[in-house]
Amino acid sequence: DAKTTQPTSMDCAEGRAANLPCNHSTISGNEYVYWYRQIHSQGPQYIIHGLKNNETNEMASLIITEDRKSSTLILPHATLRDTAVYYCIVRAESGYSTLTFGKGTMLLVSP
Amino acid sequence: NAGVMQNPRHLVRRRGQEARLRCSPMKGHSHVYWYRQLPEEGLKFMVYLQKENIIDESGMPKERFSAEFPKEGPSILRIQQVVRGDSAAYFCASSPTDRDGSPLHFGNGTRLTVT
Repeated sequence: DAKTTQPTSMDCAEGRAANLPCNHSTISGNEYVYWYRQIHSQGPQYIIHGLKNNETNEMASLIITEDRKSSTLILPHATLRDTAVYYCIVRAESGYSTLTFGKGTMLLVSP
Repeated sequence: NAGVMQNPRHLVRRRGQEARLRCSPMKGHSHVYWYRQLPEEGLKFMVYLQKENIIDESGMPKERFSAEFPKEGPSILRIQQVVRGDSAAYFCASSPTDRDGSPLHFGNGTRLTVT
């Protein structure tokens, strides 16, 4: 699976959009981009994933560049409860492939 | 639809005892994954199982650790003769398939403390 690069930490004001970047320049054509987050002492929470097209769900939006070498997770209106470590993970589309967690981005949402 | 259920949430064992961690996957999920998170460290893959089969145990320590996912009942992660270094949070995840980008869904973990 391709390697990802994320900033170590980011700050965001409550109510503003949080835009979390991720670089995955070695991504292959059959690899999805997944986003998870881990709030302190809880299990990782699935947020969203995509292959080529931008995706949106009730939690967030995922914007993938046309060359697929980078992506951005957008939390449109961050709240204090969105404070967490956010992980960007690349994983093959089919066949056995587990999730490999890196260090992620620590997002701190402040009042 | 209940999520991935892990129990117990907290487990305390003395050195040399056995620890048994249980994981009930989401309904309809037949793929189970175990991860370990040591204090102040990242999540590390341990083992991937399907019903009655171990698919990948490349992240599992060679000794004292074993996992099973029987035809009936939860998946079990078993640690024999625990040592202080086994103290960690153990997370289980499940998915319905390993195809089509199906995401893994995690439980809230079992926190093992070895005294």
